[in-house]
Amino acid sequence: EAGVTQSPTHLIKTRGQQATLRCSPISGHTSVYWYQQALGLGLQFLLWYDEGEERNRGNFPPRFSGRQFPNYSSELNVNALELEDSALYLCASSFEGGRDEQFFGPGTRLTVL
Amino acid sequence: AQKVTQAQTEISVVEKEDVTLDCVYETRDTTYYLFWYKQPPSGELVFLIRRNSFDEQNEISGRYSWNFQKSTSSFNFTITASQVVDSAVYFCALSELNSGANNLFFGTGTRLTVIP
Repeated sequence: EAGVTQSPTHLIKTRGQQATLRCSPISGHTSVYWYQQALGLGLQFLLWYDEGEERNRGNFPPRFSGRQFPNYSSELNVNALELEDSALYLCASSFEGGRDEQFFGPGTRLTVL
Repeated sequence: AQKVTQAQTEISVVEKEDVTLDCVYETRDTTYYLFWYKQPPSGELVFLIRRNSFDEQNEISGRYSWNFQKSTSSFNFTITASQVVDSAVYFCALSELNSGANNLFFGTGTRLTVIP
């Protein structure tokens, strides 16, 4: 069974640009989570999508947004990139409602120059 | 508010030694899950275990064991006879069920280095 996949592996952008990160969950999983792992800040929750709806978001500004498609894959968009957005962005998926364990993808490393 | 504390930032052990990684949590929720994840150098978080707040039974899986004690709000992880492949960053995490948030609150991680 395929795990959570994320693309691209690496992304380099400059300040002010927009970044789009993609995630495909494990087959059968309907919940997708996004986390940011920035140096010195640890793993922080960004967004949770379930059945196409945003269910919860962490303490991040509105320029972090996303969506979940009918096939349950998800996209994370970061607008007006800032240097401190440089981080590893991890996507996780779980069965409905997120009461099950979350399985993580390999991450997208975003570098903002 | 919820909080997960992993006081050990880095630990080094010699291969075949046993090592315990500490995790202390805070939550007002009466129903919650606790997790351990492993993050090898590749970066991908690997799920190791989930325990719910009503199940204080210790668990053993091969060389791994977990000790959950609600009285001290701790969920410690022991690796027996450590191996070089155990070198990674280990994260403890908490999920509160009654809040409906479902996201994981992570500790800051413990970097384990196993020296051959």
